[in-house]
Amino acid sequence: DAGVIQSPRHEVTEMGQEVTLRCKPISGHDYLFWYRQTMMRGLELLIYFNNNVPIDDSGMPEDRFSAKMPNASFSTLKIQPSEPRDSAVYFCASSSADLTDTQYFGPGTRLTVL
Amino acid sequence: AQSVAQPEDQVNVAEGNPLTVKCTYSVSGNPYLFWYVQYPNRGLQFLLKYITGDNLVKGSYGFEAEFNKSQTSFHLKKPSALVSDSALYFCAVRDLARAAGNKLTFGGGTRVLVKP
Repeated sequence: DAGVIQSPRHEVTEMGQEVTLRCKPISGHDYLFWYRQTMMRGLELLIYFNNNVPIDDSGMPEDRFSAKMPNASFSTLKIQPSEPRDSAVYFCASSSADLTDTQYFGPGTRLTVL
Repeated sequence: AQSVAQPEDQVNVAEGNPLTVKCTYSVSGNPYLFWYVQYPNRGLQFLLKYITGDNLVKGSYGFEAEFNKSQTSFHLKKPSALVSDSALYFCAVRDLARAAGNKLTFGGGTRVLVKP
């Protein structure tokens, strides 16, 4: 299995621009998670999906952030408009429905907003 | 509410010495416990997990962890540390008593520095 795939690996953009991060979970996994990692705040759960349905988006910082999962093999995290404080590494993870299962993380997208 | 504490921001150890990274947790039901490692510019990699059974869990790269229910701890250990073990380590818990699906709560991370 290829594991969780994220694109792009690095993104540099200017304040005010729209940013779209992409994730392909492991095939057969029912859960998909979006995390953000910064030095100041550590690892934060932004939102997670079960069977393509958003379950908990309480970690989404504000309305500038939105996430979708149009099908079982693809999810996006969008920031519009982006701000310098959004600079972070964004991780996607997936797991099966089995509560004993591990969450498997992608390599992350390093976002820099100038 | 479930929570995880990693009381040490950083652990320094000499190569060849034992390594311990501490983790305590708080849940309302039975926990599933996980350790992950993150190398620079990489995603989190799964090391090991406790689900049930033997309190001593063995994982990847020679790591092991001991589940202690009375102390609500799940410390990560390695008998002989390597310089290549230098990384950021995360403890995480899944609370079976809460209807939170497969959500994990992560600790703040502990940076391990192994010196030659």
